[in-house]
Amino acid sequence: ETGVTQTPRHLVMGMTNKKSLKCEQHLGHNAMYWYKQSAKKPLELMFVYNFKEQTENNSVPSRFSPECPNSSHLFLHLHTLQPEDSALYLCASSRGPQETQYFGPGTRLLVL
Amino acid sequence: QQQVKQSPQSLIVQKGGISIINCAYENTAFDYFPWYQQFPGKGPALLIAIRPDVSEKKEGRFTISFNKSAKQFSLHIMDSQPGDSATYFCAASIWNSGGYQKVTFGTGTKLQVIP
Repeated sequence: ETGVTQTPRHLVMGMTNKKSLKCEQHLGHNAMYWYKQSAKKPLELMFVYNFKEQTENNSVPSRFSPECPNSSHLFLHLHTLQPEDSALYLCASSRGPQETQYFGPGTRLLVL
Repeated sequence: QQQVKQSPQSLIVQKGGISIINCAYENTAFDYFPWYQQFPGKGPALLIAIRPDVSEKKEGRFTISFNKSAKQFSLHIMDSQPGDSATYFCAASIWNSGGYQKVTFGTGTKLQVIP
């Protein structure tokens, strides 16, 4: 158990739906990340938060909106997604932004 | 220049054999090279990591070999076991101007160890 939990584990949504992914870390870390994992492609970094402040938005479309209310929680709000957004969305955390990242189990998202 | 190329895409090894996964990078500014192991339904987990000032690092059955001049590094799994069957990702990271270690991942190698 890595101490990083994600809910839901699976999500199916239509292109007009609004949904949110939740990540919680119990490790006392200060940095949190969202990654996208698609089949046969490298993990893609989406967002980085350090002490609740967003320090990276890796050219992610605005239909993905992150929120970090505190160092333990991270959300990814989804709105009007496209079928090509179907993927495994992974949350990670690290003690500091220069430290090793620990991943959650991911949310498997299917956009119909 | 930020790519990390990983091979092979899949690998089948007999139990007790040696599994070898190779990675290559272009950006000489990378300063940390972790390997992650991912089981189905789980997120990647750090397996072993190395810094470029070291040519080899061994932890149990897992060894990283690092060739700085060739810009290549590899993971060796000795005495491979069926429980090692997973997807392995190499990665390289660099300190980013945004104030964090930006990690670039390879495309992954699906390892199957058969009894």
